[in-house]
Amino acid sequence: ETGVTQSPTHLIKTRGQQVTLRCSSQSGHNTVSWYQQALGQGPQFIFQYYREEENGRGNFPPRFSGLQFPNYSSELNVNALELDDSALYLCASSLDGGSGEQYFGPGTRLTVT
Amino acid sequence: KNEVEQSPQNLTAQEGEFITINCSYSVGISALHWLQQHPGGGIVSLFMLSSGKKKHGRLIATINIQEKHSSLHITASHPRDSAVYICAVLIKAAGNKLTFGGGTRVLVKP
Repeated sequence: ETGVTQSPTHLIKTRGQQVTLRCSSQSGHNTVSWYQQALGQGPQFIFQYYREEENGRGNFPPRFSGLQFPNYSSELNVNALELDDSALYLCASSLDGGSGEQYFGPGTRLTVT
Repeated sequence: KNEVEQSPQNLTAQEGEFITINCSYSVGISALHWLQQHPGGGIVSLFMLSSGKKKHGRLIATINIQEKHSSLHITASHPRDSAVYICAVLIKAAGNKLTFGGGTRVLVKP
């Protein structure tokens, strides 16, 4: 196990609702990256947080937002859920802006109906 | 064209066979990761490479920076090696975000 935890494990939401996913990084890691993995596809980078600041963003709309807390845990918030947001959401913790080894959490599987 | 291409997409092997998965990329990178994903989702980092070769147990990863190519080898394959193997790169011009290949689905039959 990597020491990276995510909650919840599974989640079902209705289109138009909002969701918050949580990630606790490995002890000592100051960087959290979030990824979306649709069924049968590779993960896509959403954004990265480094020392509580956003440190890079992928091609995702503003309704995907995030936070990183002083203990370096992180949240991913998605507003106005769409059916296509159904996916596995993965977080990975690392050191120093993500230049080193990435440690992945088990993921949160989100289903939007 | 994807920045990271893997081959093959699918691979079936008999237990004990030697397996090779290839990854090619088209951009300058600072590092390359090999990841393993089992059914159910969890991703495990196998290797991070910026040059040369690394070995861990029955797994060997190599990278040729000049040719923009990496390989993951599994020696004496076992059914528990059945998983999706993903190559991901840290692109120099894009900060430190990982860009992923499409994955190689490996099935090892007993």
